[in-house]
Amino acid sequence: SSELTQDPAVSVALGQTVRITCQGDSLRSYYASWYQQKPGQAPVLVIYGKNNRPSGIPDRFSGSTSGNTASLTITGAQAEDEADYYCNSRDSSGNHLVFGTGTKVTVL
Amino acid sequence: QVQLQESGPGLVKPSETLSLTCTVSGGSISSYYWSWIRQPPGKGLEWIGYIYNSGSTNYNPSLKSRVTISVDTSKNQFSLRLSSVTAADTAVYYCARAHVEKVMDNWFDPWGQGSLVTVSS
Repeated sequence: SSELTQDPAVSVALGQTVRITCQGDSLRSYYASWYQQKPGQAPVLVIYGKNNRPSGIPDRFSGSTSGNTASLTITGAQAEDEADYYCNSRDSSGNHLVFGTGTKVTVL
Repeated sequence: QVQLQESGPGLVKPSETLSLTCTVSGGSISSYYWSWIRQPPGKGLEWIGYIYNSGSTNYNPSLKSRVTISVDTSKNQFSLRLSSVTAADTAVYYCARAHVEKVMDNWFDPWGQGSLVTVSS
């Protein structure tokens, strides 16, 4: 089982804000990165570090951390944001990497 | 920009060794970390391990006894070998550049398109 836990599914109305969370003890020490994966496609990095977006990622995506919980927020969700989202960080030992369980985001 | 492409057999028999290669184009493989990640059908992502161009490696403890990642700088490629495979190893295997230079920070970018490997007799 993963050391990073995510809600299996969330839904958001078009244009509204949704927060996707990732919980794990290691997040008290290490940043999470976030990936968007659409059906049949490879994951795409959307947030890394404290709150950094790679080139080409819309600024409606943002990241934050509080205690043992990292969050990915989509402000003004668009239809194209419907996808699976995964967090990634280090495990509790700090020596290895681990992915979260994944969250399916549905845009209504 | 850097691009990655996985290649290798799409079908492997149980108990045999899965072998995949990732070719890096648009940049040198040297001085960076490179990783393998897999995703069983309908399931989540699992980190397999990464390698630095010097040959130093770091593997997922749950797979460590069966995994070998190697690098060939002359060909700008790195490879994955997973021994004694079972049906549970059926997955899409992705290669990616791992950004793990800073302990507090780690991320994977870019990714290859993925290669489906099925374990079946």
